[in-house]
Amino acid sequence: GAVVSQHPSRVICKSGTSVKIECRSLDFQATTMFWYRQFPKKSLMLMATSNEGSKATYEQGVEKDKFLINHASLTLSTLTVTSAHPEDSSFYICSARDSRRDHSEQYFGPGTRLTVT
Amino acid sequence: GQNIDQPTEMTATEGAIVQINCTYQTSGFNGLFWYQQHAGEAPTFLSYNVLDGLEEKGRFSSFLSRSKGYSYLLLKELQMKDSASYLCAVLDSNYQLIWGAGTKLIIKP
Repeated sequence: GAVVSQHPSRVICKSGTSVKIECRSLDFQATTMFWYRQFPKKSLMLMATSNEGSKATYEQGVEKDKFLINHASLTLSTLTVTSAHPEDSSFYICSARDSRRDHSEQYFGPGTRLTVT
Repeated sequence: GQNIDQPTEMTATEGAIVQINCTYQTSGFNGLFWYQQHAGEAPTFLSYNVLDGLEEKGRFSSFLSRSKGYSYLLLKELQMKDSASYLCAVLDSNYQLIWGAGTKLIIKP
């Protein structure tokens, strides 16, 4: 149980285009999902916390107009990187918290490697 | 500020035991997690400690001392597949996960 899927796993796009990444909790409901970014050999950096039915909470320094987050249902959150630039190339990982569980373990998706050319 | 410290890199021999330490200073504490992350993959859950003491799960054990702001992950009977980064993360008073930079563990035959 507690499986999180992410799509696509890899994407290459041209500068100036937008890319949408989906994060789904497959066998549990997730009122809260998290979006992380990770550069090579660096730790996870939390970008935003996505709450079902409400606006996402962005971390300091993360542009909300550039990284659009939508959490329209209890099993799906999407991250759209708008007007992508080469510096947006990174490994994007989502995680979800199971609403039914007592402690706040986060289940991670497999990640999406974005390359902007 | 909030801070989590763990060694950057460690090397150990196949079949041996290794202990990865983590010290933390956070605003509040609601538990400590250890995750394993292989290169190019997302983290996978290893353990969760919220009370002091040792939690054992097969070859892996995790220890917590809240008064010392200290935890360690103990890996026994090391296998080559254990080569990975090990991330320590603390859940603070706002239930936000604060991440350490990770310890890269290299296993040699």
